[in-house]
Amino acid sequence: DAGVIQSPRHEVTEMGQEVTLRCKPISGHDYLFWYRQTMMRGLELLIYFNNNVPIDDSGMPEDRFSAKMPNASFSTLKIQPSEPRDSAVYFCASSLAEFPLRGYTFGSGTRLTVV
Amino acid sequence: LAKTTQPISMDSYEGQEVNITCSHNNIATNDYITWYQQFPSQGPRFIIQGYKTKVTNEVASLFIPADRKSSTLSLPRVSLSDTAVYYCLVDNTNAGKSTFGDGTTLTVKP
Repeated sequence: DAGVIQSPRHEVTEMGQEVTLRCKPISGHDYLFWYRQTMMRGLELLIYFNNNVPIDDSGMPEDRFSAKMPNASFSTLKIQPSEPRDSAVYFCASSLAEFPLRGYTFGSGTRLTVV
Repeated sequence: LAKTTQPISMDSYEGQEVNITCSHNNIATNDYITWYQQFPSQGPRFIIQGYKTKVTNEVASLFIPADRKSSTLSLPRVSLSDTAVYYCLVDNTNAGKSTFGDGTTLTVKP
């Protein structure tokens, strides 16, 4: 398996523009998580899905952020409009179970820079 | 979720054994302890998980005392490539998500 695949690896955009981050989880994994990492706040869970259904979005910072999982092999995280404070590395992770015995498998992340 | 406390940073030399301790005084009965490793520009990677006593795999050992209020990740004979951030997490099947703390930055020197 190729692991969790995220695209793009790097994204530079201007303030006010819409940004869409993409994730392909490991086949067969029923859980998908979106995390954000910054120097100031560390790794924060934004939202997670089970069988394509959002379970907990309490970590989504504000209405500018939205996430979807239209099918078992694809998820998106959208920011509209983007702001400089959204600059961070966004990670997607997947797992077989809500509390997996082998932990979550993370992608390589998308580094977002909003100028 | 139980709060965890780890040292911010540690230094070591190649070939040494490194022990990173994590405090989790409020650990619940059904909580497990999980450790992740993160290299720059990569996502965290699962290292080891345990509930009590000792767990060992090909990468590391995890020591958990009887009261479970702390745990120690042991990395045998580290190399330069073990330089990374190590996270200790405490969670359970009811948590629904893993909360990462600040982690410990391990620097291995030649």
